[in-house]
Amino acid sequence: GQSLEQPSEVTAVEGAIVQINCTYQTSGFYGLSWYQQHDGGAPTFLSYNGLDGLEETGRFSSFLSRSDSYGYLLLQELQMKDSASYFCPLKGWRSTLTFGKGTMLLVSP
Amino acid sequence: NAGVTQTPKFQVLKTGQSMTLQCAQDMNHNSMYWYRQDPGMGLRLIYYSASEGTTDKGEVPNGYNVSRLNKREFSLRLESAAPSQTSVYFCASTTEAYQVYEQYFGPGTRLTVT
Repeated sequence: GQSLEQPSEVTAVEGAIVQINCTYQTSGFYGLSWYQQHDGGAPTFLSYNGLDGLEETGRFSSFLSRSDSYGYLLLQELQMKDSASYFCPLKGWRSTLTFGKGTMLLVSP
Repeated sequence: NAGVTQTPKFQVLKTGQSMTLQCAQDMNHNSMYWYRQDPGMGLRLIYYSASEGTTDKGEVPNGYNVSRLNKREFSLRLESAAPSQTSVYFCASTTEAYQVYEQYFGPGTRLTVT
């Protein structure tokens, strides 16, 4: 099977930088995605790592190391609207996604 | 361009009742998915359809059936609802193409089974 581990909650202040870590166990996958979800609304796509290394999209960067079974999402210049849950699902066969429990990010003024 | 739409938004059922959750996408995507999300949890895949006319089981298919009616529509049916099926149901779609990684999610259906 597959499993993912993320911290349950992370807190930070506006303007700061925060890193959300993701470790996984799997027998095979195509890549690691990151999704944001506000208050139980629709998850929205943030980033994807198919290969090892860093991907940058605006204020967000995501990293993957397959040898360490580890990835992270880096959020810079935090804003209040970044308060949300963040998930790092594994992308599998036919683009199916396997989610963990996610990390709730709380941004304070 | 509405993206992924789901109906209904909310539903309350009694144990043993049946219902169908509807999902439609207008992005010409080949692949569609049904997930459920329980409180404080991540999403879990129920069923998916990689193309019109095909469906496959996901992680938690028991108690559900699906129909890929055409390329646009993918419905989820609960034949005999149970309290354990109380959850938020999300439909999603994507196209399997080079350097396409994003799944687009609908707004969800909040289902309570009493």
